[in-house]
Amino acid sequence: QKEVEQNSGPLSVPEGAIASLNCTYSDRGSQSFFWYRQYSGKSPELIMFIYSNGDKEDGRFTAQLNKASQYVSLLIRDSQPSDSATYLCAPANQAGTALIFGKGTTLSVSS
Amino acid sequence: NAGVTQTPKFRILKIGQSMTLQCTQDMNHNYMYWYRQDPGMGLKLIYYSVGAGITDKGEVPNGYNVSRSTTEDFPLRLELAAPSQTSVYFCASSPREAGTEAFFGQGTRLTVV
Repeated sequence: QKEVEQNSGPLSVPEGAIASLNCTYSDRGSQSFFWYRQYSGKSPELIMFIYSNGDKEDGRFTAQLNKASQYVSLLIRDSQPSDSATYLCAPANQAGTALIFGKGTTLSVSS
Repeated sequence: NAGVTQTPKFRILKIGQSMTLQCTQDMNHNYMYWYRQDPGMGLKLIYYSVGAGITDKGEVPNGYNVSRSTTEDFPLRLELAAPSQTSVYFCASSPREAGTEAFFGQGTRLTVV
């Protein structure tokens, strides 16, 4: 059983701070990694993906990947109250046929 | 731009009843998925399909069946509903390339009583 581990939180940060969300995965064959945001009662929506080791930046979001350590993270700079949601880490399985989701980390940004 | 459409949005079933959750996508995606999400938990993969006529089991397939007769449609069948199947069900689709991002429908909230 391939597993994806995330700290469930809640992670509480003040508005304007950096939020750091972490994820470890067990499938060494995973080659692509996705971060989804899910607001309460809504469906997940993609915010970032990363395929190569290192950092990838998109606006206020930065994804970091270290395949040797089987670790992927998401940094949110200048956090806003609208960022308050659950963030789901989702590596693709080794075959690349499906995403395997973690339980998610709940982020709360206070104004 | 409908994307991925699921019906119904809500449903209450009695134990032992059966039903089909409908999912259709208009993006011509080959890959389609069914996930379930229990309260406070992540998404668990039930079944997936890599193209019309091809389906495979995910992490939690027991109690469910699927079919994929067209690229657009991927219905999920629940036979003999049980309280353990109370959950929110999400259908998703991905473009041709495997491992690319999945686009989700709005979900079906199912309660089995």
